Amino acid sequence: AQTVTQSQPEMSVQEAETVTLSCTYDTSESDYYLFWYKQPPSRQMILVIRQEAYKQQNATENRFSVNFQKAAKSFSLKISDSQLGDAAMYFCAYRSVEREATDSWGKLQFGAGTQVVVTP
Amino acid sequence: DSGVTQTPKHLITATGQRVTLRCSPRSGDLSVYWYQQSLDQGLQFLIQYYNGEERAKGNILERFSAQQFPDLHSELNLSSLELGDSALYFCASSRSTGLDGYTFGSGTRLTVV
Repeated sequence: AQTVTQSQPEMSVQEAETVTLSCTYDTSESDYYLFWYKQPPSRQMILVIRQEAYKQQNATENRFSVNFQKAAKSFSLKISDSQLGDAAMYFCAYRSVEREATDSWGKLQFGAGTQVVVTP
Repeated sequence: DSGVTQTPKHLITATGQRVTLRCSPRSGDLSVYWYQQSLDQGLQFLIQYYNGEERAKGNILERFSAQQFPDLHSELNLSSLELGDSALYFCASSRSTGLDGYTFGSGTRLTVV
């Protein structure tokens, strides 16, 4: 089974600065998707960005970008020009696409999360 | 509003009781997923339904069951409740494979006293 590890329980950043959240995963599959979700105090889970393993180009969504290193099984999230509204718990997630993985196909495997604190 | 509707938003019940959580997926989505989020366990996948059929099962207790109805709404039934079942229960939906990501509802906060 795949495991997702987020080693930083909490990260603090000042407004307008940049913060990078780390995520590593363990898998023997060659094709998969990776996601970052944001959970603000409202508890709503919001999709931030996604990356397909076969695409070498790193995904970008406005101020959010990823550094995907397939060989290292690393998928970090960079938040640029941080805003107070970015304060939230951020979860990294893995999604298998191989139909043979019947015990995990369809399932998003989440990491433990990283709490981002934004200071004025 | 994400388009995924979960009811009720909050539920307080006693140990040993049974509750039903309801989820209406986003329009056009065929897959429904249930997750449990507790402080010590993080986000745990419970079960997935696709167009009425069970597709994948995670760490779902035997006391828990779910189904997806012909109109695609889903219900999660929790019985013989224990204090440890207190958690935030999320429903999410996706078009089919979910490779575009899931859309989550706002969750049901279950408190067992």
